[in-house]
Amino acid sequence: NAGVTQTPKFRVLKTGQSMTLLCAQDMNHEYMYWYRQDPGMGLRLIHYSVGEGTTAKGEVPDGYNVSRLKKQNFLLGLESAAPSQTSVYFCASSYQTASGNTIYFGEGSWLTVV
Amino acid sequence: AQSVAQPEDQVNVAEGNPLTVKCTYSVSGNPYLFWYVQYPNRGLQFLLKYITGDNLVKGSYGFEAEFNKSQTSFHLKKPSALVSDSALYFCAVRDPRGSSASKIIFGSGTRLSIRP
Repeated sequence: NAGVTQTPKFRVLKTGQSMTLLCAQDMNHEYMYWYRQDPGMGLRLIHYSVGEGTTAKGEVPDGYNVSRLKKQNFLLGLESAAPSQTSVYFCASSYQTASGNTIYFGEGSWLTVV
Repeated sequence: AQSVAQPEDQVNVAEGNPLTVKCTYSVSGNPYLFWYVQYPNRGLQFLLKYITGDNLVKGSYGFEAEFNKSQTSFHLKKPSALVSDSALYFCAVRDPRGSSASKIIFGSGTRLSIRP
């Protein structure tokens, strides 16, 4: 019963390097999200997707790109990492239903940019 | 635009006492409201949600929350706290209408500490 799986769990990057965080869900959810969590700021939405082939910007999209080529996968890319992107990143997914969409979260990816 | 506020960074309660974690929200329509809990080094776990109906919602681990439309609040409560309830709690809101329908916005979190 995998749910939402994120890889890698930990990564250290040098300033200017690029990387991709991978997210996979096996619940056939339409919606997927990427959040970052920073002390005192809670969770902030970076980008989200309402279906395969579609993406949209959240609250803090600058410096990130995303792709949703397959329904079950949602990729978060950092083209040129900066120390301000040191954070914990959470992927999440949900159904879109009339009764409200409960979000299911991955375990998080700890990223440090030095 | 929708928003959610958790006015307390930390709440300290003695084991066995009742606890309340506060949340207020702002949306233009009728909100969907959620509470999540996060244990150290883990992802968020769903506790409960309010969509419609009874203002008192019961969730996991003995938690409940009361929706108060006039005060735009959705406070999390538990009658008798356990040490194992110590964690970070997040309130979240979704406006089910319009372009924001797909966004769920989270509060900044409240750290709950239960002392034995």
